[in-house]
Amino acid sequence: AQTVTQSQPEMSVQEAETVTLSCTYDTSESDYYLFWYKQPPSRQMILVIRQEAYKQQNATENRFSVNFQKAAKSFSLKISDSQLGDAAMYFCAYQARNRDDKIIFGKGTRLHILP
Amino acid sequence: DVKVTQSSRYLVKRTGEKVFLECVQDMDHENMFWYRQDPGLGLRLIYFSYDVKMKEKGDIPEGYSVSREKKERFSLILESASTNQTSMYLCASSLFSRGLTEAFFGQGTRLTVV
Repeated sequence: AQTVTQSQPEMSVQEAETVTLSCTYDTSESDYYLFWYKQPPSRQMILVIRQEAYKQQNATENRFSVNFQKAAKSFSLKISDSQLGDAAMYFCAYQARNRDDKIIFGKGTRLHILP
Repeated sequence: DVKVTQSSRYLVKRTGEKVFLECVQDMDHENMFWYRQDPGLGLRLIYFSYDVKMKEKGDIPEGYSVSREKKERFSLILESASTNQTSMYLCASSLFSRGLTEAFFGQGTRLTVV
């Protein structure tokens, strides 16, 4: 069975600094997607960034980038120039690319931004 | 603007009651999901559906059932609510595609069973 592990329940970073959130996963599939979702306090979950497993190039979205290491089954999220609005729960997620499209989430990392 | 709407933001029910949580999406998505979110446990999949009248058990289906009679609506049913079902419930939908898709979430229903 596929699993997603986020080993950091909470992290803090100074405003304007860079922070990296860790995620590892386990799967026997070769074709899949990986995601980072953000859940701000009392607000809806939204997608931050996504990565296709067959693409070697790491995805980037403005201040957000990933370090995707397929052999190591690692998918970390780097947030550059942290802002107060980045404070949220961050969830790493996995989805196999087949008909059974269930999405599996990690337990989340709560990110605090220190002014 | 894409939208997933859950019928209630907050709900308080008594033990033993039958509880219905409704979710509607306006994006013509094939896939719909129900998750339960608890502190320290992340999101755990209860049920999902990839087509009308189709359903698949997730990781924690016990005590729950679902209904999908129309493509846009996915209902979660607690047959006999218990206090250990007090939680945040999240509905999501996604487009089935061989390409890369994302899930869109509702605002969540915080259910308290007393």
